[in-house]
Amino acid sequence: LAKTTQPISMDSYEGQEVNITCSHNNIATNDYITWYQQFPSQGPRFIIQGYKTKVTNEVASLFIPADRKSSTLSLPRVSLSDTAVYYCLVGSNNAGNMLTFGGGTRLMVKP
Amino acid sequence: AAGVIQSPRHLIKEKRETATLKCYPIPRHDTVYWYQQGPGQDPQFLISFYEKMQSDKGSIPDRFSAQQFSDYHSELNMSSLELGDSALYFCASSFKGNTEAFFGQGTRLTVV
Repeated sequence: LAKTTQPISMDSYEGQEVNITCSHNNIATNDYITWYQQFPSQGPRFIIQGYKTKVTNEVASLFIPADRKSSTLSLPRVSLSDTAVYYCLVGSNNAGNMLTFGGGTRLMVKP
Repeated sequence: AAGVIQSPRHLIKEKRETATLKCYPIPRHDTVYWYQQGPGQDPQFLISFYEKMQSDKGSIPDRFSAQQFSDYHSELNMSSLELGDSALYFCASSFKGNTEAFFGQGTRLTVV
């Protein structure tokens, strides 16, 4: 299993763009990179998933360099409600995978 | 749209008692994951099932067992409960092990 490393915490202000980087040096060829958001006492919520280059949806963008050893989740113009813990997961989209959460990044958005 | 349903939402048990947590995945999802999350901690993977067979095992104590039934719902059975078992237990489901998984609201277990 590819291990992931993220910053423990980040602070930002409303309206700013936030970039959270995740390192996954041992990513395997068939692994995807998936990001989740979790609010206190709630289950994690899927944000975005990618394999390479750039993926964008209505919530965020995911940037993956060519070597795929890291990825960056970009949240445009954050609001107070984006205060949460963000997790980067690496794993294959095959039946029987493990879907393991490592240490996430606690994002605090201030007014 | 239907989401992952967990029951009960809250459960209070005494030490050494047993507890059963239930998880109903999103229709057509064939993969179920169970997680334990203590206060201020990251979700810890316990066990997963694919097509009613156990597919992977994480840090699940021997006192716990789980299974996935023919209708794809899953149950986590916990015996000889300890104070340290107090936590939020989440179930998630996905289709064919896709890492885009959907989580339930969780069951908050309190052992007293």
